[in-house]
Amino acid sequence: GENVEQHPSTLSVQEGDSAVIKCTYSDSASNYFPWYKQELGKRPQLIIDIRSNVGEKKDQRIAVTLNKTAKHFSLHITETQPEDSAVYFCAASFQGGKLIFGQGTELSVKP
Amino acid sequence: ETGVTQTPRHLVMGMTNKKSLKCEQHLGHNAMYWYKQSAKKPLELMFVYNFKEQTENNSVPSRFSPECPNSSHLFLHLHTLQPEDSALYLCASSPQAHSYNEQFFGPGTRLTVL
Repeated sequence: GENVEQHPSTLSVQEGDSAVIKCTYSDSASNYFPWYKQELGKRPQLIIDIRSNVGEKKDQRIAVTLNKTAKHFSLHITETQPEDSAVYFCAASFQGGKLIFGQGTELSVKP
Repeated sequence: ETGVTQTPRHLVMGMTNKKSLKCEQHLGHNAMYWYKQSAKKPLELMFVYNFKEQTENNSVPSRFSPECPNSSHLFLHLHTLQPEDSALYLCASSPQAHSYNEQFFGPGTRLTVL
């Protein structure tokens, strides 16, 4: 079936540390993997995405890696700051380009 | 502000009521989506419209009825809902459906069914 698993569900780090969130997907044909950030009481917003023709993408302190063989991808945030505190959702594209989202990870960055 | 608006922002309704949620996008997109976001659950895709045509109904109960009169407006008509339907309902839009583009979300409607 169409499934995306995301771990961990909660993550607490000290300011300045790195945070890693991992997702697995069920369909080997999936080829688009966006990450969304949702701050408390706000709408989800895209922070980075990756397509299957690349293995890694970076944007300042954020990076995403993709392992197509293992069907998993990860979000890496370095030098975390309190404003990084939010819920992060991964997603994968399925049949027809439909996005299926993971369960979300609540990241807390402690000053 | 992402250019996607939703009204109302909050809605409380009884199980016998009929109400409608409205979404409007000012981004010139051709695809619009309804998602349900419940506590401790992932964003659940409900419906997809592409160029005003429904292209996806993700096994949504018939008490939820979408309407897309044009590419800028999307409605979700609600009737005889259940308490478990209480959730945040998010609308999103993108340039086209079934292509790999960013989806822009609205602020959501917080629905409570009594």
